[in-house]
Amino acid sequence: EIVLTQSPGTLSLSPGERATLSCRASQSVSSSYLAWYQQKPGQAPRLLIYGASSRATGIPDRFSGSGSGTDFTLTISRLEPEDFAVYYCQQYGSYWTFGQGTKVEIK
Amino acid sequence: QLQLQESGPGLVKPSETLSLTCTVSGGSISSSSYYWGWIRQPPGKGLEWIGSIYYSGSTYYNPSLKSRVTISVDTSKNQFSLKLSSVTAADTAVYYCARHPRYCSSTSCYLPLWFDYWGQGTLVTVSS
Repeated sequence: EIVLTQSPGTLSLSPGERATLSCRASQSVSSSYLAWYQQKPGQAPRLLIYGASSRATGIPDRFSGSGSGTDFTLTISRLEPEDFAVYYCQQYGSYWTFGQGTKVEIK
Repeated sequence: QLQLQESGPGLVKPSETLSLTCTVSGGSISSSSYYWGWIRQPPGKGLEWIGSIYYSGSTYYNPSLKSRVTISVDTSKNQFSLKLSSVTAADTAVYYCARHPRYCSSTSCYLPLWFDYWGQGTLVTVSS
């Protein structure tokens, strides 16, 4: 099983700031088969990024993904009020596993 | 617009079987392009994939739950279902159903990919 470790656990930032979230895999994720999701309280997760760097339909371009192998990053270039949420990475190269999440909170 | 809706009991007794159904509307569960999956989230915790099914009945299960999980599909009703046996308090969670696209080349089809459409989730509590 590929274990995904996200860091930091919590990120405290102000609107307009840049957020950088990390996802590290216990072994290489084939073909950059990595996705990112956003989850707000009481809601289902929403797909943001797939294939490590492709934005899902309707996702603003302030969200970007990068990385390969075992190290992946989600960047939010300028935080909007609606971006404060929990973010999960997920690999789909070997079955399907999720990271434990990073909470982006208002500073 | 594709919609998924989970349904089933919100309270299950320990040692009994949890049963949930996901009804798909706005699209066909029999599409060759998708698997359909179940994911759960214990209160205040992260996401755990449970299993996925194709309209033909082909399944993938999380190895850690495989001995207790059965996922089935009813194409006539555009539904798929989850059964989890011998439940304990550790199975208390919000259960989500989701669509699971897959990629096929001209010669091969591959494992399903990400989860692009999700139901709203249903809380199942295991308690006597």
